[in-house]
Amino acid sequence: DAMVIQNPRYQVTQFGKPVTLSCSQTLNHNVMYWYQQKSSQAPKLLFHYYDKDFNNEADTPDNFQSRRPNTSFCFLDIRSPGLGDAAMYLCATSGRQGMNTEAFFGQGTRLTVV
Amino acid sequence: SQKIEQNSEALNIQEGKTATLTCNYTNYSPAYLQWYRQDPGRGPVFLLLIRENEKEKRKERLKVTFDTTLKQSLFHITASQPADSATYLCALQRNFNKFYFGSGTKLNVKP
Repeated sequence: DAMVIQNPRYQVTQFGKPVTLSCSQTLNHNVMYWYQQKSSQAPKLLFHYYDKDFNNEADTPDNFQSRRPNTSFCFLDIRSPGLGDAAMYLCATSGRQGMNTEAFFGQGTRLTVV
Repeated sequence: SQKIEQNSEALNIQEGKTATLTCNYTNYSPAYLQWYRQDPGRGPVFLLLIRENEKEKRKERLKVTFDTTLKQSLFHITASQPADSATYLCALQRNFNKFYFGSGTKLNVKP
């Protein structure tokens, strides 16, 4: 089945040690997103790509970076994780730029910072 | 900036009853409003979409209404079942493909 796959499901990293989260999709969607979700909170949009065009949210910390080497893959890099970066990170895709499309989410990566 | 409000208190209802969840927003009206279901430790799953010029949308036991004057959407699940227990998120979409989510309301359906 076509889907959005995130690896790993659980990631433990040390305070200040760079970490990369991965997302792949078989939907051939143009748009890919990264969201951060803390317990009982709304998923918070960090950034999104339309094809290779990168769109950063104004309040996304510089500590968070992203790469999209091709249509299928997108990576979230956290350069120096702090305790406050512990969260569920959700990758999502949607079909085309414009409206009337839903978002397809992966299962998420639960990041723990020790 | 846009603020999206959903009742943070869990909604507890008896099986077979209708669950009604609320999503309120401030500032501009979105072009589209969507509802998602999220189970613990999982990513959200799309349920329904409604456009700003639509009043109501239905899909099986689900119904969504959208009132741009009140800046409110209501999400109804009729004949609720324990399997409907989950957190339900609303999402607003206005510019390009950006989705902004509420924090969700947890629904507990008791047998």
